[in-house]
Amino acid sequence: AQSVTQPNIHITVSEGASLELRCNYSYGATPYLFWYVQSPGQGLQLLLKYFSGDTLVQGIKGFEAEFKRSQSSFNLRKPSVHWSDAAEYFCAVGRGYSTLTFGKGTMLLVSP
Amino acid sequence: EAGVAQSPRYKIIEKRQSVAFWCNPISGHATLYWYQQILGQGPKLLIQFQNNGVVDDSQLPKDRFSAERLKGVDSTLKIQPAKLEDSAVYLCASSLGTLGRAYEQYFGPGTRLTVT
Repeated sequence: AQSVTQPNIHITVSEGASLELRCNYSYGATPYLFWYVQSPGQGLQLLLKYFSGDTLVQGIKGFEAEFKRSQSSFNLRKPSVHWSDAAEYFCAVGRGYSTLTFGKGTMLLVSP
Repeated sequence: EAGVAQSPRYKIIEKRQSVAFWCNPISGHATLYWYQQILGQGPKLLIQFQNNGVVDDSQLPKDRFSAERLKGVDSTLKIQPAKLEDSAVYLCASSLGTLGRAYEQYFGPGTRLTVT
């Protein structure tokens, strides 16, 4: 069965510093991979997705992610974090027709 | 375009009571999803509709949970009777359901359910 592991429950980053959130997946076939962001009291918003092709994908809000098949990873990165990026981030793998399996999430805290 | 609408936003009930949640997806979106998000965890799919047919309800506790999507638009999710462990945020999402866009799910703000 497919699964998604986000090893960090919380991460604190200083404003302006770079960010990397880790995601590892377990899936038998070629994965469809996603990152979503959830701000307090709001629904999830799609940041970026990987289906095939270039392993470095660009998303909204200056985020990017790199798919590494050999490491079963899809880590999310941003070169310079802004205070408004504080939120919870979820990695997900697609299966079947359009079903998503989510990780447990990583809460990003941004310090001044 | 209008987003996914959900109501109510908050609900507090006692265990063994019943509760219903409503979702209005984005216009034209064929696929509708209900997720349960327990505090500290990622969303878990409960049921997925394609138009008004069920695609996946393998993780829906069918002894107490039910869902319908009449006319392939709005949907309701019901819990009867509720248990303490049902306390969670219930998220509704929708997608176009077409090839390549099926995974682009748009989420509503959710309904926070507290069972006491």
